[in-house]
Amino acid sequence: EVQLVESGGGLVQPGGSLRLSCVASGFTFNSFEMNWVRQAPGKGLEWVSHISSSGNTILYADSVKGRFTISRDNAKNSLYLQMNSLRAEDTAVYYCAREGGNTFYFDYWGPGTLVTVSS
Amino acid sequence: SYVVTQPPSVSVAPGQTARITCGGNNIGSKSVHWYQKKSGQAPVLVVYDDSDRPSGIPERFSGSNSGNTATLTIRRVEVGDEADYYCQVWDTLFGGGTKLSVL
Repeated sequence: EVQLVESGGGLVQPGGSLRLSCVASGFTFNSFEMNWVRQAPGKGLEWVSHISSSGNTILYADSVKGRFTISRDNAKNSLYLQMNSLRAEDTAVYYCAREGGNTFYFDYWGPGTLVTVSS
Repeated sequence: SYVVTQPPSVSVAPGQTARITCGGNNIGSKSVHWYQKKSGQAPVLVVYDDSDRPSGIPERFSGSNSGNTATLTIRRVEVGDEADYYCQVWDTLFGGGTKLSVL
């Protein structure tokens, strides 16, 4: 059974940093591209970042470019999101999501971890 | 930048058919995916590549895509289908979401 479990969320002050983790199981992690997607309270889904299976290709949404860094450790079946210079508008539930195919759809999602940026 | 438009809400009675649209310029030339999002739960992929259904998704859910509109159709709607539905287009872009109410 495919499972994705995020951790690392919490309350952080504006300008602070946080590192999210996502541990994968039930599939060959190093064969799949992975993403982070977020949903702010009362808002819609927003794609945040993508990383290829090898880690060689990385993409970011404009809203987080230069502040967030995605990475992965295939030996540990883990995906990460380092978030720096956090803003109030980064407050959201963050999901890690597996890409199912070549057209960028997300076939499995974790339950999410809540990040709250507030003083 | 590419823009996609979803109606904010759609209402339907149980047992009827719900149609949720996703509009965009020549969207028929792109792959469209659909997700169901219930409050407090992770999104669930219900249709991918315009009209394919993941395993475990009921046949009541179907998709189509042509011209400037992609459509998610839910037949024989059940109370449990009440949720927000999001289309996803062109690699990363999500629509604003449509709240399906089952009256």
